[in-house]
Amino acid sequence: GNSVTQMEGPVTLSEEAFLTINCTYTATGYPSLFWYVQYPGEGLQLLLKATKADDKGSNKGFEATYRKETTSFHLEKGSVQVSDSAVYFCALSDQGYNTDKLIFGTGTRLQVFP
Amino acid sequence: DAGVTQSPTHLIKTRGQQVTLRCSPKSGHDTVSWYQQALGQGPQFIFQYYEEEERQRGNFPDRFSGHQFPNYSSELNVNALLLGDSALYLCASMGSGQETQYFGPGTRLLVL
Repeated sequence: GNSVTQMEGPVTLSEEAFLTINCTYTATGYPSLFWYVQYPGEGLQLLLKATKADDKGSNKGFEATYRKETTSFHLEKGSVQVSDSAVYFCALSDQGYNTDKLIFGTGTRLQVFP
Repeated sequence: DAGVTQSPTHLIKTRGQQVTLRCSPKSGHDTVSWYQQALGQGPQFIFQYYEEEERQRGNFPDRFSGHQFPNYSSELNVNALLLGDSALYLCASMGSGQETQYFGPGTRLLVL
């Protein structure tokens, strides 16, 4: 079945460092890909998405490119801030007949220190 | 424009009890999904409701049931609670023909 694999955390960085969180997927068909962020004690917020191969999603300085040839959707940010500390989830939309469910990775915790 | 809302925010139950969680979707959204997020894990799909019917179900036992009302709000019911049901329960909504799901803040359930 479809699945998402994320790099294990925590990822610990100093402020203004470059961030990469790896995400690969296994899927039949052409799913949409998403990054969600979860701040402590809160639900999930959509960070960015891409709906087809070579699409680049971007938001708040974060970017990810849908790479079909490597089945990857790595999250990047050029300069992280302390406020970016959170858990990041990669997900794909498992589109079946009359339904869309999200399949998530296990999450990667990012800790940014001043 | 209110986003997805859920109630209650926290809940403590004992084994064997039953619980009902509630969700109001984002304005204009008619499809509601429920997810269970165990501590340190990614959310797992429970089921999805559209037009007051369960459209798809994940790998969860029949103790988990749901309902959608004509105003698109939804309930998640869990019977015969087990310790392993302790988790954050997330509701997500989306509009017809759209693919982006928007999540509520969740209900944290603790089963003792």
